[in-house]
Amino acid sequence: KAGVTQTPRYLIKTRGQQVTLSCSPISGHRSVSWYQQTPGQGLQFLFEYFSETQRNKGNFPGRFSGRQFSNSRSEMNVSTLELGDSALYLCASSDPGQGTYEQYFGPGTRLTVT
Amino acid sequence: AQSVTQLGSHVSVSEGALVLLRCNYSSSVPPYLFWYVQYPNQGLQLLLKYTSAATLVKGINGFEAEFKKSETSFHLTKPSAHMSDAAEYFCAVTISGNTGKLIFGQGTTLQVKP
Repeated sequence: KAGVTQTPRYLIKTRGQQVTLSCSPISGHRSVSWYQQTPGQGLQFLFEYFSETQRNKGNFPGRFSGRQFSNSRSEMNVSTLELGDSALYLCASSDPGQGTYEQYFGPGTRLTVT
Repeated sequence: AQSVTQLGSHVSVSEGALVLLRCNYSSSVPPYLFWYVQYPNQGLQLLLKYTSAATLVKGINGFEAEFKKSETSFHLTKPSAHMSDAAEYFCAVTISGNTGKLIFGQGTTLQVKP
């Protein structure tokens, strides 16, 4: 099976702009989770989508949003970018309904905000 | 709520020496525990998982971990370090019914000296 894919791999944006990141899970996996990784804060959970519904949300402002499509692909959107949003954004997929509790991660999208 | 503490942000060992990376967790319900490895500019790769079966868990690349409920620990070990083991290692916790949300430790960077 193909792994989790994320596009684009690298992005440079300016403060105030918005950005959309994409994640395609492993085939058959219905849960997609998003994480932000920074040197200062480490790995922090953003949100999880399961069968097109947000099932869990971390402590991030409303500028961070996401959605999931019927084919389980997911997108994450950040509006009004701030310098502090510069990070590696990771998505992961799993299928707890089939006993796959572990999450499989994509390579990440490196976002730089200038 | 769950939390994870990784003792030691940097660990240095000689090639061929024992690797021991420490992880302590906090959870009011039985946890699921994971170790992930991250190489530079890459996503997270699952090393091993504990999901309430055997307490001694074997993973990839010769790593193993033992779940000790009395000590709330899940330390990662490898008998003999290789240069290729140099990377950052993350311990993570979640619980049944909420497996889409991983709580990560701050990570431990493993340096392997020739």
